[in-house]
Amino acid sequence: DVKVTQSSRYLVKRTGEKVFLECVQDMDHENMFWYRQDPGLGLRLIYFSYDVKMKEKGDIPEGYSVSREKKERFSLILESASTNQTSMYLCASSPQGAGNTEAFFGQGTRLTVV
Amino acid sequence: GNSVTQMEGPVTLSEEAFLTINCTYTATGYPSLFWYVQYPGEGLQLLLKATKADDKGSNKGFEATYRKETTSFHLEKGSVQVSDSAVYFCALRSYSGNTPLVFGKGTRLSVIA
Repeated sequence: DVKVTQSSRYLVKRTGEKVFLECVQDMDHENMFWYRQDPGLGLRLIYFSYDVKMKEKGDIPEGYSVSREKKERFSLILESASTNQTSMYLCASSPQGAGNTEAFFGQGTRLTVV
Repeated sequence: GNSVTQMEGPVTLSEEAFLTINCTYTATGYPSLFWYVQYPGEGLQLLLKATKADDKGSNKGFEATYRKETTSFHLEKGSVQVSDSAVYFCALRSYSGNTPLVFGKGTRLSVIA
């Protein structure tokens, strides 16, 4: 069964902390994505990666960075957490190829910055 | 750029009622279209998809038809159940496979017994 696993379901961090959100997929997918979900705003793309060590900015990259050292793992980094980064974070992956393939999502990490 | 507009919720229906959630899109070329569902406390799951004009996606009693002439992909179900209560997201993806999904803002559906 296809699986995308996010390391934490819930996280509470303090303002100014460096925060790491980890995502692992077991489907050998080339593409991986980080989205942020907020009420009334839907899903907004933060960063995505289409290959190891490659990354592309999404719609809202400010305050975030990413790392992809291995194909199966895509990390989202909050360099200095702020309260406006309190949100649900969703990781997804998809195979390379034609755009008719869907993305597979993890269960989400609800991050609270206090 | 590509975008998706879906009807705002929340939508509240009685069990066995008919459901329609409207979705329209703006895109260059011929995107693929998707409906995802998010049950409380969970991530997103693919509900159905359609990859070319006039295709009908269907799953669990839900249906949506890719209408190129009206740039729409409305989600329908003939008789909703309490277990269908969730947030529904319409999304598109350009034909080039390395592009991300673009989502609508989501529509929360509550079904009451």
